[in-house]
Amino acid sequence: GDSVTQMEGPVTLSEEAFLTINCTYTATGYPSLFWYVQYPGEGLQLLLKATKADDKGSNKGFEATYRKETTSFHLEKGSVQVSDSAVYFCALRGDSGNTPLVFGKGTRLSVIA
Amino acid sequence: GAVVSQHPSWVICKSGTSVKIECRSLDFQATTMFWYRQFPKQSLMLMATSNEGSKATYEQGVEKDKFLINHASLTLSTLTVTSAHPEDSSFYICSARDVASGRETQYFGPGTRLLVL
Repeated sequence: GDSVTQMEGPVTLSEEAFLTINCTYTATGYPSLFWYVQYPGEGLQLLLKATKADDKGSNKGFEATYRKETTSFHLEKGSVQVSDSAVYFCALRGDSGNTPLVFGKGTRLSVIA
Repeated sequence: GAVVSQHPSWVICKSGTSVKIECRSLDFQATTMFWYRQFPKQSLMLMATSNEGSKATYEQGVEKDKFLINHASLTLSTLTVTSAHPEDSSFYICSARDVASGRETQYFGPGTRLLVL
């Protein structure tokens, strides 16, 4: 079945550092890919998404490009802030019917001033 | 953005009792709600898909008689953990799909932490 693998955390960075969180997936067909973020004490929020190969999702300075040749959707940000500290989940949704999201294990990011 | 609430946010109960968790979409109608379970340092595992007015679809390995799901309206789904045991202790998260926004938009509740003693 479909699955998502993302790098294990925790990741600790200094403010203004460059962030990469790796995510690869296994799926048949043409899934849609997502990054969700969970801030402390809050529910998951959609951060960005891409629905087809070579699409780039972006939001709040974060970017991820749908790479079908490498089955990857790595999350990047050029300069992180303390407020970016959260848990980040990579997810996919298959392209058939009313399919649910399939999540990676999540990566906890801590940004220190 | 759309808001999904869960109640309670945490609950402690004795083994053998039943616990009901409510999931509400506050400002949109959700024909489909999903229930996930999250173990420490693990991914969200889908338990079941709940469609308004019909029986829930359970994932393989999830006991439907133990985890009762009722999606009685377009804004409310409930998960009842029956005869809870310590191994049911976990973090339960619901998610609702906003029909008006299309199939891609899925909003999540803040989760309910269950501890069974």
